[in-house]
Amino acid sequence: EAGVAQSPRYKIIEKRQSVAFWCNPISGHATLYWYQQILGQGPKLLIQFQNNGVVDDSQLPKDRFSAERLKGVDSTLKIQPAKLEDSAVYLCASSFLRGRTYEQYFGPGTRLTVT
Amino acid sequence: AQSVTQPDIHITVSEGASLELRCNYSYGATPYLFWYVQSPGQGLQLLLKYFSGDTLVQGIKGFEAEFKRSQSSFNLRKPSVHWSDAAEYFCALSAGTASKLTFGTGTRLQVTL
Repeated sequence: EAGVAQSPRYKIIEKRQSVAFWCNPISGHATLYWYQQILGQGPKLLIQFQNNGVVDDSQLPKDRFSAERLKGVDSTLKIQPAKLEDSAVYLCASSFLRGRTYEQYFGPGTRLTVT
Repeated sequence: AQSVTQPDIHITVSEGASLELRCNYSYGATPYLFWYVQSPGQGLQLLLKYFSGDTLVQGIKGFEAEFKRSQSSFNLRKPSVHWSDAAEYFCALSAGTASKLTFGTGTRLQVTL
């Protein structure tokens, strides 16, 4: 079974530029998450989708970040314009029900450096 | 509000020695608890989870964790560490089955030969 795919793996941009990340979840996983992991910290949820609807985006800086999940499969996360503090690893995860709990499976992440 | 605290930022153990990584949580009810491991350049891999029942849970790679409600803790243990266990370990909690994960800040494990 293929895992969660993310691209690109690395991205370097200058501040005020825009950037987009792509995620392809595991087939059949209805729930998709985007997390931001700043160096030295644990991942923090940015947005959660259930199929193509948003469940939780309370931590998403909506003035510069946007995300969509068209057709309930792939998802893109965009930052426009980027700031220095956006330098982080952006992790995508998807989940499915195993027994009585959902298990989240994580992709390898996209490391963003904003200069 | 829910939170997870991992008091130890960095731990060094010798190969073959036992390991215990600490995790404390704050949540108003019984949470779902998880331990993940992250190797350099890799995504997070689930080691084990707890949601109810037996408070001692077994995971992959020989890891186990014990849920102690009275201490709000969910410590990860391994009786004999291997050099390949060197990585970053994250404790996380969820308020519900499909809810977001709230992570601790992680503990970096170094294994000396």
